[in-house]
Amino acid sequence: EAGVTQSPTHLIKTRGQQATLRCSPISGHTSVYWYQQALGLGLQFLLWYDEGEERNRGNFPPRFSGRQFPNYSSELNVNALELEDSALYLCASSPRLIGTGGTDTQYFGPGTRLTVL
Amino acid sequence: DAKTTQPTSMDCAEGRAANLPCNHSTISGNEYVYWYRQIHSQGPQYIIHGLKNNETNEMASLIITEDRKSSTLILPHATLRDTAVYYCIAIGSSNTGKLIFGQGTTLQVKP
Repeated sequence: EAGVTQSPTHLIKTRGQQATLRCSPISGHTSVYWYQQALGLGLQFLLWYDEGEERNRGNFPPRFSGRQFPNYSSELNVNALELEDSALYLCASSPRLIGTGGTDTQYFGPGTRLTVL
Repeated sequence: DAKTTQPTSMDCAEGRAANLPCNHSTISGNEYVYWYRQIHSQGPQYIIHGLKNNETNEMASLIITEDRKSSTLILPHATLRDTAVYYCIAIGSSNTGKLIFGQGTTLQVKP
C-alpha cells in the first residue's frame, strides 16, 4: 500500500513569492493534515481538511491556506513568503473517523523542505 | 489532550531492549496513548497506540500502567536504525485533528 506522498521534495523561493505544496493521502483516507517543522523546532499544526472542508486551523496567519480536492489530495499555499517560513512541511492523512469513540491514526509523508531566500 | 512528559535523551546498546518512558498523569478516560518517532529530517512514523491494555505489533510493545498515568514503549532489540526522536502523545476523541508533539526523547542506539 502506497503511503502519503508529497511534492516537491525541495522548494526554493524568495521573499514575497508564493509557494504551493502538494499532498496525496493514502488510498481510502479522507482527512489530510498539514504541519510545519522549523529547523530544530517541534511540529506545529497548520490545517486539517476532511471531505473537502477545512475542519480546524492552527495559530498561523491567513497567508497560509489550502484546499482539498474531490480525490482527497490537498494543496498548501503560502503567500507573501517570509524568511521564517523556511521549514519542513509535513502532510499526514487518516481514514474517516468512525463513531464517536477512539481516534484516527495520522500517517505522515516525507515532507517538503521549503527554503525562503 | 493531556500533557505528556518524556526524558530528553536516552542511550541504548545495539541488540538490547530500549525502554522509553512517558508520563501522562492527567490523561482522561477516553484519551489514547500514541507513539511516533522521527528519524532526522523525515516525516514522523507511527509506531503503536493503546487505551488501557498493553499492545504489541511488529515494531514495538506498549505497556500502560493500570492507573494509566504512565506508559513505556519497548523496542525489543534496538538497532542503529532505531536512533530517532520518539514522541509520546495523548489523543482524545475531541477530534480537533491536531497532534501536539512535545520535545520527545532522543534515543541514541550505540554499537
